[in-house]
Amino acid sequence: KAGVTQTPRYLIKTRGQQVTLSCSPISGHRSVSWYQQTPGQGLQFLFEYFSETQRNKGNFPGRFSGRQFSNSRSEMNVSTLELGDSALYLCASSEQGAGANVLTFGAGSRLTVL
Amino acid sequence: QKEVEQNSGPLSVPEGAIASLNCTYSDRGSQSFFWYRQYSGKSPELIMSIYSNGDKEDGRFTAQLNKASQYVSLLIRDSQPSDSATYLCAVSQTGNNRKLIWGLGTSLAVNP
Repeated sequence: KAGVTQTPRYLIKTRGQQVTLSCSPISGHRSVSWYQQTPGQGLQFLFEYFSETQRNKGNFPGRFSGRQFSNSRSEMNVSTLELGDSALYLCASSEQGAGANVLTFGAGSRLTVL
Repeated sequence: QKEVEQNSGPLSVPEGAIASLNCTYSDRGSQSFFWYRQYSGKSPELIMSIYSNGDKEDGRFTAQLNKASQYVSLLIRDSQPSDSATYLCAVSQTGNNRKLIWGLGTSLAVNP
């Protein structure tokens, strides 16, 4: 059974640009959650999608957005990048939702903003 | 106010000792509790899940839940250097959609 796949693994952008990250969940999993991780800040919840609907949202500005497709694949977008957006972005999938089930994480996308 | 709290550590234990990691939470109605392990440069992976009061054992790992006192702990027996990692506590809130709340993690170092 394939795991959670995130692309790209590494990327470098400059301030003001935008970026799109992709996450393919485990087959059969309908929930995809996104997290930002920086040293000292732990896992910061961005949003969760379930069956193409945003179920929960964290406290991030509107520059951070996401969506989920009918095949459960999800994308997140960050517009007008700032230096502080440099982080590891993790997605995690589960069968019924982050609060109800075990999460399986992808390897992450490491974003560097210059 | 942080809703899930963990000591950041580092917690240092000698090889073979018992490592005790603690987590407290504020939502009294929380229903599901998880411990994840994260090695440096890697993604978190599930160690244990626990849903009812008491102890749950899996190999060298034991999770303990006390809902009245609102804490959940993880004991690692016969600690090995390979257990050196950051341990993240996650708690599922009540209400619609059951949002998952994460602690900042406890760094564990097992010294040979």
